[in-house]
Amino acid sequence: NAGVTQTPKFRILKIGQSMTLQCTQDMNHNYMYWYRQDPGMGLKLIYYSVGAGITDKGEVPNGYNVSRSTTEDFPLRLELAAPSQTSVYFCASSYSPETQYFGPGTRLLVL
Amino acid sequence: GENVEQHPSTLSVQEGDSAVIKCTYSDSASNYFPWYKQELGKRPQLIIDIRSNVGEKKDQRIAVTLNKTAKHFSLHITETQPEDSAVYFCAASGANQGGKLIFGQGTELSVKP
Repeated sequence: NAGVTQTPKFRILKIGQSMTLQCTQDMNHNYMYWYRQDPGMGLKLIYYSVGAGITDKGEVPNGYNVSRSTTEDFPLRLELAAPSQTSVYFCASSYSPETQYFGPGTRLLVL
Repeated sequence: GENVEQHPSTLSVQEGDSAVIKCTYSDSASNYFPWYKQELGKRPQLIIDIRSNVGEKKDQRIAVTLNKTAKHFSLHITETQPEDSAVYFCAASGANQGGKLIFGQGTELSVKP
């Protein structure tokens, strides 16, 4: 199993551009999550999903959107990139609403 | 909503000493408390977790204790080694919350040889 994979690893965006961060898991986990981690800080939950077709907001959802059309994929969409969205983004998944396995992260720089 | 405070923000110990990191949470309904280790440039990895029906859990050199009354939980690392150097995060999650984890701010542990 590859576990949780994320693409791209690194991306530079200009202010106002949009992009989609991809997250895929091959563990047949129902629960998936998106976090952001600012330098020297903890992780903040952006959005989460308890199963295909179901998504809900976390602590910091503004400026982001998600969809969950399949069990495996949970893409995160940034519509109008802002410098405040410069961060490292981690996707995670879990079989039950407890032990979460993290992907390798996507480093995003908005200039 | 839930709020998790973590202390200290940095901790330096000599190899072989013990390290203790403490977290407090605000929501008495929280019932799951994991600890993650994050090495520089890497993803967070679960090292130990505890549920609210247990007061203490051990795994080799690592232990976690939970005091539900005081709403705090702690990570204990004994016989520290240089490879224990990393940032450690505590988190809390409540029942029927879809696994939403609220993280502490992190503790940077440095183990000096």
